[in-house]
Amino acid sequence: AQKVTQAQTEISVVEKEDVTLDCVYETRDTTYYLFWYKQPPSGELVFLIRRNSFDEQNEISGRYSWNFQKSTSSFNFTITASQVVDSAVYFCALWMDSSYKLIFGSGTRLLVRP
Amino acid sequence: DGGITQSPKYLFRKEGQNVTLSCEQNLNHDAMYWYRQDPGQGLRLIYYSQIVNDFQKGDIAEGYSVSREKKESFPLTVTSAQKNPTAFYLCASSFGQGKGTDTQYFGPGTRLTVL
Repeated sequence: AQKVTQAQTEISVVEKEDVTLDCVYETRDTTYYLFWYKQPPSGELVFLIRRNSFDEQNEISGRYSWNFQKSTSSFNFTITASQVVDSAVYFCALWMDSSYKLIFGSGTRLLVRP
Repeated sequence: DGGITQSPKYLFRKEGQNVTLSCEQNLNHDAMYWYRQDPGQGLRLIYYSQIVNDFQKGDIAEGYSVSREKKESFPLTVTSAQKNPTAFYLCASSFGQGKGTDTQYFGPGTRLTVL
């Protein structure tokens, strides 16, 4: 089975708190790619990051960081010092050669309260 | 400005009518995609096209049709055969032919409501 699980349906935090969004994936492919997208209330999906299966280095971009662990099939996303503008739905997605398509998780809705 | 445009933003359809959603990109991307999003769910692939005059069915193609006559355009028709068309429709495009190395970029979406 090939799928992406985002077990957290909704998360609510107060501004300036750190928050981690979980993503667990399943695949038998050795080559695959993982993505995170942000969907603000306007509806458009905004690309955040792409990571291939051979690159397990964690990545940091400003207040955003990603932790990729093949041993647990997870690709978690942390926002440090959250801001109200971070409020959105966040999607994790998986791409594999064997399926030749993006498989999306069901998303995590993040609400950052002032 | 380069980007992906979708029109209209909101669309209302009576039962039994066909409607066409527009998607245009000026990014010179080869591949284009249509996704459907239902409340509280992830995106599901309807159709995709890797090159002009060619397209493939995705996971939920029944009741939909597409064309790819120009590189910049990939319109989606929601036919009367689609039993539950009320949803948010997102168009995307990517360089190359849709491999994992080709990031998909999305348009602003069209919200379709059947009355």
